[in-house]
Amino acid sequence: QKEVEQNSGPLSVPEGAIASLNCTYSDRVSQSFFWYRQYSGKSPELIMSIYSNGDKEDGRFTAQLNKASQYVSLLIRDSQPSDSATYLCAVRSGGYNKLIFGAGTRLAVHP
Amino acid sequence: DADVTQTPRNRITKTGKRIMLECSQTKGHDRMYWYRQDPGLGLRLIYYSFDVKDINKGEISDGYSVSRQAQAKFSLSLESAIPNQTALYFCATSEAGTSGTTDTQYFGPGTRLTVL
Repeated sequence: QKEVEQNSGPLSVPEGAIASLNCTYSDRVSQSFFWYRQYSGKSPELIMSIYSNGDKEDGRFTAQLNKASQYVSLLIRDSQPSDSATYLCAVRSGGYNKLIFGAGTRLAVHP
Repeated sequence: DADVTQTPRNRITKTGKRIMLECSQTKGHDRMYWYRQDPGLGLRLIYYSFDVKDINKGEISDGYSVSRQAQAKFSLSLESAIPNQTALYFCATSEAGTSGTTDTQYFGPGTRLTVL
């Protein structure tokens, strides 16, 4: 059973701080990694995708991938209250475009 | 206009009723998916379709069926709804291909289904 694990949280950070969200996965041949943001009752929205080891930055967001450790993370700099949401990690394995989702980490940014 | 639409957005029904959830997309994507989301369990794949003639079961297909009427339309049916099918249902689409941006999935707004 291929698994994607996330701490459910809530992760509480003050406004302006860095929020660090983590995800581990079990399938070593996983090839694509995604972070989605989901506000309560809304649909998941893609934040970042990452395919190679290392860091990928987009504005205040940085995704980090370490395939040897089977670990992917998302850093949110200068966290804002509007970043308060659940962040879903998703992993694609093998030759088919099927994603395995983690249960999500709830982030709360307080003023 | 939204690229991926779902109807209805909310539905309350009774045990034993047949329910159809519909998904349409204007993104021109070949691949479409149905997921359900339960609190604390994340998104789980019900069915997926890589083209009109290709339908595949996901991890939780029991109690569900699908129809891919056209490239742009993918419907999910609950033949005889039961209370534990109460959940938030999402349709998603992606391009064909398995690398780069082609494997990103885009989600519809969701359907909240309650089975009494």
